[in-house]
Amino acid sequence: NAGVTQTPKFQVLKTGQSMTLQCAQDMNHNSMYWYRQDPGMGLRLIYYSASEGTTDKGEVPNGYNVSRLNKREFSLRLESAAPSQTSVYFCATTPGDANTGELFFGEGSRLTVL
Amino acid sequence: QQQVKQSPQSLIVQKGGISIINCAYENTAFDYFPWYQQFPGKGPALLIAIRPDVSEKKEGRFTISFNKSAKQFSLHIMDSQPGDSATYFCAASPETSGSRLTFGEGTQLTVNP
Repeated sequence: NAGVTQTPKFQVLKTGQSMTLQCAQDMNHNSMYWYRQDPGMGLRLIYYSASEGTTDKGEVPNGYNVSRLNKREFSLRLESAAPSQTSVYFCATTPGDANTGELFFGEGSRLTVL
Repeated sequence: QQQVKQSPQSLIVQKGGISIINCAYENTAFDYFPWYQQFPGKGPALLIAIRPDVSEKKEGRFTISFNKSAKQFSLHIMDSQPGDSATYFCAASPETSGSRLTFGEGTQLTVNP
């Protein structure tokens, strides 16, 4: 039972390159989220998907796109990476988009953009 | 614009001491206040949470105190242990936004043996 799995765990990109971060969950949860974590700024919501087939912008969506491929998978794409996107990215899930507050996080993907 | 402000940024406590982390919020629509604990190389995990209908919630050595009129809440860790060394995040959300939490900046806690 892996929970929330993120790939890759580490990635180095050059400015302008593109890449996709993958997230898969085996918890049968409906809602999935992408956060970025930066020192001194906590975690900030990039995009979320309340249920399969829906996606919405969070607090910091610029420069990112997402795809909810199916109930299990939610990917985050950087079309043209910028140094400001150097961060640790976390995928998270909840059973439903209700105010239970308990997010289940993956272990993170550390991205460096040179 | 940080809607949830957390302090201190870092905290060093001796084993057996009390660790206190404070958070303040602006949005009066917030009605759910969880705390997350994060160990190095891991994702955050829910530690304890409170809703504004109570002023305090205790789970083992961890207590949340909530002051609705001051729009502040805090985490107290009693009898702090080296294993408590981690980064702690407070968070908040209004019921209407579901689990889309707004997080504080984080506090790095070190408990010395």
